[in-house]
Amino acid sequence: EAQVTQNPRYLITVTGKKLTVTCSQNMNHEYMSWYRQDPGLGLRQIYYSMNVEVTDKGDVPEGYKVSRKEKRNFPLILESPSPNQTSLYFCASSPRGGRGNEQFFGPGTRLTVL
Amino acid sequence: KQEVTQIPAALSVPEGENLVLNCSFTDSAIYNLQWFRQDPGKGLTSLLLIQSSQREQTSGRLNASLDKSSGRSTLYIAASQPGDSATYLCAAHTGTASKLTFGTGTRLQVTL
Repeated sequence: EAQVTQNPRYLITVTGKKLTVTCSQNMNHEYMSWYRQDPGLGLRQIYYSMNVEVTDKGDVPEGYKVSRKEKRNFPLILESPSPNQTSLYFCASSPRGGRGNEQFFGPGTRLTVL
Repeated sequence: KQEVTQIPAALSVPEGENLVLNCSFTDSAIYNLQWFRQDPGKGLTSLLLIQSSQREQTSGRLNASLDKSSGRSTLYIAASQPGDSATYLCAAHTGTASKLTFGTGTRLQVTL
């Protein structure tokens, strides 16, 4: 089944403890992206990747890192999480960046930072 | 900077009614517009994608229209059912970053 998977789905952690949220897609998509969703603010893009080894900042990149060593994986790294990073995170992919391509979303990861 | 607005924020209708959800965007230079459904605690399910060159798209009981010149899109749901209850999000696809700019959604409840 073609899909975008994220792990973990739920995570409660404490301030400053490094964590990684994994994202994987099995559709051979070139483009991948991370969003966070907050009440009243909607979904906002954190980082995106046009292809392997190519990443760039979205609208709200502060406090996050990403890497794209393989086409299928795009992990989101929080080196020193803070309570304002408590949010619902979504990974998305599409065949390639640019016009016309539908984006497919993972199931989401609910993160709570205490 | 693209801004997307969805009105109303919440809507309750009896089963069987036809309804329209509205989405407006400020920058008409979009690649496409995508409608999603989000169920509580779940991810985003893509419903319809309208390319910038298209006027509408249909899937089953759903019909989405796009008017780039006025910066508006509508999602029409025919013969609503309780299973249609969810939050509906529209997103405008713009820029070289392939960024989707989302509205804050319309929460729909279809009652028996």
